[in-house]
Amino acid sequence: GDSVTQMEGPVTLSEEAFLTINCTYTATGYPSLFWYVQYPGEGLQLLLKATKADDKGSNKGFEATYRKETTSFHLEKGSVQVSDSAVYFCALSGLNNDYKLSFGAGTTVTVRA
Amino acid sequence: DSGVTQTPKHLITATGQRVTLRCSPRSGDLSVYWYQQSLDQGLQFLIQYYNGEERAKGNILERFSAQQFPDLHSELNLSSLELGDSALYFCASSVVDNNEQFFGPGTRLTVL
Repeated sequence: GDSVTQMEGPVTLSEEAFLTINCTYTATGYPSLFWYVQYPGEGLQLLLKATKADDKGSNKGFEATYRKETTSFHLEKGSVQVSDSAVYFCALSGLNNDYKLSFGAGTTVTVRA
Repeated sequence: DSGVTQTPKHLITATGQRVTLRCSPRSGDLSVYWYQQSLDQGLQFLIQYYNGEERAKGNILERFSAQQFPDLHSELNLSSLELGDSALYFCASSVVDNNEQFFGPGTRLTVL
């Protein structure tokens, strides 16, 4: 079935460090891909998305490129801040026309000042 | 603030009981999705409604049911509760059927 695998955390970084979180997917078609972020005590917020191969999603300094050949959608940020501390979820949807989201396990990121 | 509201924020109940979780989607959104977030299962899709009709079903137990009302709010009913049902339950909404879902703050259910 369709699934998402993302790197396990937790990840601890210093401010201004480079962040990358790996995400790969398994799907029979061409899904849309997403990164969601969950700050402590809050719901999920859409961080960025890409709907077709080679699309690059970007928001708040974060970027991810839809790579069909490697079935990947890795999240990157060049210089993290303490406020980026959160749980990050990779997800896919759009298969079978039902638009449900299938999530990875989540990666907890902690940024230290 | 996503515009999606969920009540209650917290719910503590006992095994065997029944509870109802409520979700109000963003104004104008016709689709409502329910997800369960637990430590052992992660985030899982439960069920989707579109304009009052069930559209898709995921890993939803038979003890669970949902509905979407004419005013588009949705309720998730959980019955014969077990300890393992303790989780965060999220509702999300979207305009028609598309890929941009907006999540509510969640209801934390604790079954004792």
